[in-house]
Amino acid sequence: GDSVTQMEGPVTLSEEAFLTINCTYTATGYPSLFWYVQYPGEGLQLLLKATKADDKGSNKGFEATYRKETTSFHLEKGSVQVSDSAVYFCALSDSDAGNMLTFGGGTRLMVKP
Amino acid sequence: DAGITQSPRHKVTETGTPVTLRCHQTENHRYMYWYRQDPGHGLRLIHYSYGVKDTDKGEVSDGYSVSRSKTEDFLLTLESATSSQTSVYFCAISESEYSNQPQHFGDGTRLSIL
Repeated sequence: GDSVTQMEGPVTLSEEAFLTINCTYTATGYPSLFWYVQYPGEGLQLLLKATKADDKGSNKGFEATYRKETTSFHLEKGSVQVSDSAVYFCALSDSDAGNMLTFGGGTRLMVKP
Repeated sequence: DAGITQSPRHKVTETGTPVTLRCHQTENHRYMYWYRQDPGHGLRLIHYSYGVKDTDKGEVSDGYSVSRSKTEDFLLTLESATSSQTSVYFCAISESEYSNQPQHFGDGTRLSIL
């Protein structure tokens, strides 16, 4: 079956540091890939997505590139802010499974001033 | 933001009691989903609906039932709650069944079963 693996947290960074959160996946079909962000006490918000190989999703300074050859979708940001502190989830939706989302376990990011 | 309202937002109840969680949407989307969120597991799909009275099971459906009598409402019922069902429950909606369409999430219901 499908699965998503992302690095365990928490990840603690100082403000303006570079962020990478690793995400790898296995899928039987041709998945679309997503990053969601969850701020404390809130639901998940779509951060960015990529729907085919070599696509780059970007939003709010975050980027992730769909790498089919390495089955990866790593999240990056060049300079994090305190307001980026949240839990980040990598997820896939497989073309063989309609619009069912499979999530990774989540990575908590803490950014210190 | 997508118009999704979950109720209640918090609930504490005892083992063996029935519990119903409600998800209400104002987007007229056809697809609705219930997930549970547990530490280390991300979100796991419980049940989903692809139309009025059309529902199907997800990955962790045991102990849960759902109903959808109107497009805008999707109910999740725990017939006899157990402590293992203590979790945060999220409703999501989607406009279509295509895998490239994102789901949009409500703010969640925190359920504690003592």
